[in-house]
Amino acid sequence: DIQMTQSPSTLSASVGDRVTITCRASQNIRSLLAWYQQKPGKAPKLLISGASRLESGVPSRFSGSGSGTEFTLTIGSLQPDDFATYYCQQYNHFKTFGQGTKVEIK
Amino acid sequence: EVQLVESGGGLVQPGGSLRLSCAASGFTFSGSWMSWVRQTPGKGLEWVANIKKDGSEKYYVDSVKGRFTISRDNAKNSLYLQMDSLRADDTAVYYCARDGDGYVYWGQGTLVTVSS
Repeated sequence: DIQMTQSPSTLSASVGDRVTITCRASQNIRSLLAWYQQKPGKAPKLLISGASRLESGVPSRFSGSGSGTEFTLTIGSLQPDDFATYYCQQYNHFKTFGQGTKVEIK
Repeated sequence: EVQLVESGGGLVQPGGSLRLSCAASGFTFSGSWMSWVRQTPGKGLEWVANIKKDGSEKYYVDSVKGRFTISRDNAKNSLYLQMDSLRADDTAVYYCARDGDGYVYWGQGTLVTVSS
């Protein structure tokens, strides 16, 4: 099974900060990685697929990079609507999610 | 507009059974792989099972193999999850989602609570 490890688990930041979340896969998943944003009581929202492909309607301050086993999600300038929990997910072999990173107000 | 609407959740005793349904609309259901994904406070998001467009292939996470069965009825645009021998650690919100490069479309989720 492929394990996905996100860091940090919690991140405290201010509006306007540049934020980076890391996701590591236990084996090579090529670029078959997605990032999601989830707010309380809601289903996750797909932000990025293929490690770096921004989904339609997602603000350009979100970007993804990486391949193989190391991936990052970057929020270029944190906005009030971005305080949420973020998950990575591999879909190279079945599907596995990371444990999540909560972005909270500093 | 794509819609996925789950139903069938509730409170069930350990060892019991429950059948979840997901009604799909707004896209070609018969042309889509479909998944069930669950979420618990403790374990976060977990893919549970998925099924091929015509139902000929089904895959499961190890923890539910032999207990859960995914199925679909393309004539009714519906996805199902039969859950047997339920355990306390199956307690979660269960989502249906359309497969792809990531899950673009999700339902609103249905809560399953396994408790005596």
